[in-house]
Amino acid sequence: DIQMTQSPSSLSASIGDRVTITCRASQNINTYLNWYQQKPGKAPKLLIYAASSLQSGVPSRFSGSGSGTDFSLTISSLQPEDFATYYCQQSFTTVTFGQGTRLDIK
Amino acid sequence: QVQLDQSGSEVKRPGASVKVSCKASGYTFTNYPLHWVRQAPGQRLEWMGWINPANGNIKYSDNFQGRVTLTSDTSANTAYMDLDGLRSEDTAVYFCARFYFDLRGGRLDYWGQGTLVIVSS
Repeated sequence: DIQMTQSPSSLSASIGDRVTITCRASQNINTYLNWYQQKPGKAPKLLIYAASSLQSGVPSRFSGSGSGTDFSLTISSLQPEDFATYYCQQSFTTVTFGQGTRLDIK
Repeated sequence: QVQLDQSGSEVKRPGASVKVSCKASGYTFTNYPLHWVRQAPGQRLEWMGWINPANGNIKYSDNFQGRVTLTSDTSANTAYMDLDGLRSEDTAVYFCARFYFDLRGGRLDYWGQGTLVIVSS
């Protein structure tokens, strides 16, 4: 099975900060990498697919990059509604999620 | 608009079974596989398996092999997840999610609201 490892596991930041979360796959997954945002008590929401494509309706302050084994999600200027947990997910073979990165207010 | 509506919360005894439903609307049910994902309290998302309603093809996670059964009813636009031999560690929120696939890969683009299953004696 492909393992997905995110870092950091948690992160504190302020409104307006630029934040980057990284995700590493245990083997080459090309660009079959998606990012989700999850708020407490809610289902995950797709933000980025195919490593760098912005899902319809998602604000442009979210961006993704990477290929192969190393990927990142960047939020260019944190807004209050962005404080949540973020998961990466590979779809190269079936589905595997990272352990999540909790983003909270400093 | 695309919607996935899941059945309500369940409380089960250890050893029992649970069946969660996921009713799809707003799109052609047979055009997209449905995945099942669960999340134990405070834990990461855990993939359980997927079903293709168009042809009945199924793939299960090794972690649930033999305990989970995925089915679908195309006449009702509904998918089902059965989990047998429940134990306390199966206490979690269970999600269904639509899998959209194109040349750039697959992603879970729409999710149900989740069904809480509590396993307790």
